[in-house]
Amino acid sequence: DVKVTQSSRYLVKRTGEKVFLECVQDMDHENMFWYRQDPGLGLRLIYFSYDVKMKEKGDIPEGYSVSREKKERFSLILESASTNQTSMYLCASSLEGGAGNEKLFFGSGTQLSVL
Amino acid sequence: SQQGEEDPQALSIQEGENATMNCSYKTSINNLQWYRQNSGRGLVHLILIRSNEREKHSGRLRVTLDTSKKSSSLLITASRAADTASYFCATLDNYGQNFVFGPGTRLSVLP
Repeated sequence: DVKVTQSSRYLVKRTGEKVFLECVQDMDHENMFWYRQDPGLGLRLIYFSYDVKMKEKGDIPEGYSVSREKKERFSLILESASTNQTSMYLCASSLEGGAGNEKLFFGSGTQLSVL
Repeated sequence: SQQGEEDPQALSIQEGENATMNCSYKTSINNLQWYRQNSGRGLVHLILIRSNEREKHSGRLRVTLDTSKKSSSLLITASRAADTASYFCATLDNYGQNFVFGPGTRLSVLP
């Protein structure tokens, strides 16, 4: 079974701190994604990557950046954390496809609180 | 842009009853997927139905798709307390690149 591992389940940070959220998948998936989930808003795509060193902005990239130096690892970076970035962050991966027939495999999520 | 939207937002039923959740979407699709999320956890893929399929079964799950109405339904039969979770439908965005999720249906199955 595919395993997508997020480095932290819970994280508490201060406003202005630089925050790194790490995600690793073990099934050689081409595609990786970062979503944030807020009550009543569902999942919103922050950034995605279809290949190593490749990144594309999703629907809400402001205040975030990403890094994909290795195929299995996709990092989300909050350059200067703000309270409105308090949220559940979900990493996902999928096989190469692009036609939408592939399914997403999710990590367990990181609940980030910015104080 | 939000493609899929689930209905109802919340559903509470007794163990043993059937639970039906609906999803409406806006543009044409190749397929539609349903995911489940236990409280505070990641999403788990349940089932994928292609645009040329009308119905699909997996265990106690039954999914229907009506492309003329741009809607899908997920039926969970003989529900159990362990089915308590949020359920999301997902379709591709308008560019056909990435999945878009609705806000989900929160299902509570009472013992």
